Amino acid sequence: DTAVSQTPKYLVTQMGNDKSIKCEQNLGHDTMYWYKQDSKKFLKIMFSYNNKELIINETVPNRFSPKSPDKAHLNLHINSLELGDSAVYFCASSLRGRQSNEKLFFGSGTQLSVL
Amino acid sequence: DAKTTQPNSMESNEEEPVHLPCNHSTISGTDYIHWYRQLPSQGPEYVIHGLTSNVNNRMASLAIAEDRKSSTLILHRATLRDAAVYYCILRYNTDKLIFGTGTRLQVFP
Repeated sequence: DTAVSQTPKYLVTQMGNDKSIKCEQNLGHDTMYWYKQDSKKFLKIMFSYNNKELIINETVPNRFSPKSPDKAHLNLHINSLELGDSAVYFCASSLRGRQSNEKLFFGSGTQLSVL
Repeated sequence: DAKTTQPNSMESNEEEPVHLPCNHSTISGTDYIHWYRQLPSQGPEYVIHGLTSNVNNRMASLAIAEDRKSSTLILHRATLRDAAVYYCILRYNTDKLIFGTGTRLQVFP
């Protein structure tokens, strides 16, 4: 069983469309994250949720809206997609989130291509 | 968050030990040192972490300098599967890991 699973793995879409990426973790963790990895391979945190509550929003455009229906799921909805949104998006989870000795578990990524 | 400095790239031959350095001269007393790696086309993967003492696990060893201003990730016998980008990250009671540019490790047969 995959601990952190994301769907879809690949997403190709036109500019201006709205799309969603889903993430689920079966580890019983309280905290989930979205990271973005751009073309230069730089990984940057976007959002963090703890028990369905938003903890971190790293000045991401409001076209990006995370939704956490329960603590095992953190979905990412993107409105009005732009070329610059093309990247690989990684979901991650950790047990509590605020312990500095905790591990993060990452999904395998969703490669988004905006044409 | 304290910053880390790593070489952009390193090379190794298969079955040889690899020592990946990380400098973190501005580390504070409560920062944990974490190492993650990212294999091609995969998400980052936890490798090891430590605070003051050296640490060993099934994947690697972490050697931490006495003044904690640097650390070294040691892969005892590199395999082709160890080719990845290795990230050294400092973390203190935050909700996030901040990734730097990492070290790209190439392993040759």
